[in-house]
Amino acid sequence: DAKTTQPTSMDCAEGRAANLPCNHSTISGNEYVYWYRQIHSQGPQYIIHGLKNNETNEMASLIITEDRKSSTLILPHATLRDTAVYYCIVRGSNFGNEKLTFGTGTRLTIIP
Amino acid sequence: GAVVSQHPSWVICKSGTSVKIECRSLDFQATTMFWYRQFPKQSLMLMATSNEGSKATYEQGVEKDKFLINHASLTLSTLTVTSAHPEDSSFYICSARDQGRASYEQYFGPGTRLTVT
Repeated sequence: DAKTTQPTSMDCAEGRAANLPCNHSTISGNEYVYWYRQIHSQGPQYIIHGLKNNETNEMASLIITEDRKSSTLILPHATLRDTAVYYCIVRGSNFGNEKLTFGTGTRLTIIP
Repeated sequence: GAVVSQHPSWVICKSGTSVKIECRSLDFQATTMFWYRQFPKQSLMLMATSNEGSKATYEQGVEKDKFLINHASLTLSTLTVTSAHPEDSSFYICSARDQGRASYEQYFGPGTRLTVT
C-alpha cells in the first residue's frame, strides 16, 4: 500500500471549516483514499473514501487532486466533538487486499 | 447499522494468566475481521487478519502461539492473550468488513484496554 504523509497536528476554530491535507504521491491506479478518525480511547471511526472523484457525505467532503497525489478532508463546520486524530490511508480495493496501515495521523484540536 | 462490539471494554489480569477478548458484528456478517494493538500515544498496529472458518493470518513479528485467534462464526472473532505479561498491556481493537457491501470499509469496535499486573 502507498505511504501517506500528514501534518502532525492542526488547530481549527469552532464553527470554521477544518481542512486536513494528505500526501500520497506513490498511490497506484486501483488504490482508494480512506479517512478514519479516532477520538481519545475509542476505536477508529470511518469517515469517507474516494478513488478519483470528489466525495461528500453527512460527515465530510473529500477532495482528491487530479493527479491523485494528494487529498484534503474537509469538515465544513467543526465542532468540539471533532477533536480527534485523523488518519489518511491508501488501500487497494481488491478482496484479499483489505489491510489498513495506519500512519501517525493528524491530531486535530477544535478551539472554542 | 454496521456496529461492532467488543467485550470486555477493559480488563486487569495478573501476569501469567490468559485473557479472552470478544469481537462481534451486531448487524452484519463478517467473514473477515482484523485485530489491532495500540500502545499509548502510538498509532494502531495490525496484529492479524481473522478469517471465518480458517486460520488467522498474522503480521510479521506477532507470535501466533501467544495471541490465539478464533473466528468460529460470521459474527464473532476472539483474541486470547496467553500467558500475559506487563508488556502485553495495551489497547486492543478489532474491526470487521461487512461482506454484504461491495465496498471494503472496515468498522471498528470500541476497543479493549488490557492491563497486566
